[in-house]
Amino acid sequence: DIQLTQSPSSLSASVGDRVTVTCRASQSISTYVSWYQQKPGKPPRLLIYAASILQSGVPSRFTGSGSGTDFTLTITSLQPDDFATYYCQQSYLFYPTFGGGTKVEI
Amino acid sequence: EMQLVESGGGLVQPGGSLRLSCEASGFSFGSYWMHWVRQAPGQGLVWVSLFSSDGFTTTYADSVRGRFTISRDNAKNTLYLDMHSLRSDDTAVYYCASQLGGDAFDLWGHGTLVTVST
Repeated sequence: DIQLTQSPSSLSASVGDRVTVTCRASQSISTYVSWYQQKPGKPPRLLIYAASILQSGVPSRFTGSGSGTDFTLTITSLQPDDFATYYCQQSYLFYPTFGGGTKVEI
Repeated sequence: EMQLVESGGGLVQPGGSLRLSCEASGFSFGSYWMHWVRQAPGQGLVWVSLFSSDGFTTTYADSVRGRFTISRDNAKNTLYLDMHSLRSDDTAVYYCASQLGGDAFDLWGHGTLVTVST
């Protein structure tokens, strides 16, 4: 199995801050990484796929980067609606795995 | 509108069984791989099982292999998860999800809660 380690597990930030979440894979996975946002009581929402491609309808303040084993989700200017938990996910293997999540709090 | 709607969750005793359903609408269900993903209370997302569009591939997480069975009925646009020998650590919200655009899960259901408890 491919393990994904996210850091930090939680962070505190303010509106307007630049926020960076990191996801490290236990082996090289090219750019087969997606990022999701989840709010309490809701299903995850796809933000970014193929490491850096923005899903339709997602604000451009969300950006993704990386390849191989190290990946980053950046929110360039945090908005009130962005306080949520974020997960990375690999699709390098046909059975996927998720990172442990990063909770972004006020 | 593309939609996935899960049903079948509830309270079950340890050792019991349950069948979850996921009804799809608004897209060509039979053309896509379908997955079950679960989330224990206050915990992260965990992939459970998949069923390929061609019907030749089903795979399970180690934690459920031998106890859960995934199936699909393309004529009814429905994905199923039969769960047996349920344990307290199977307690979770179970989501079905699909990969319509490629490798990522771009469509999710709202989830159905399974509680395994006496």
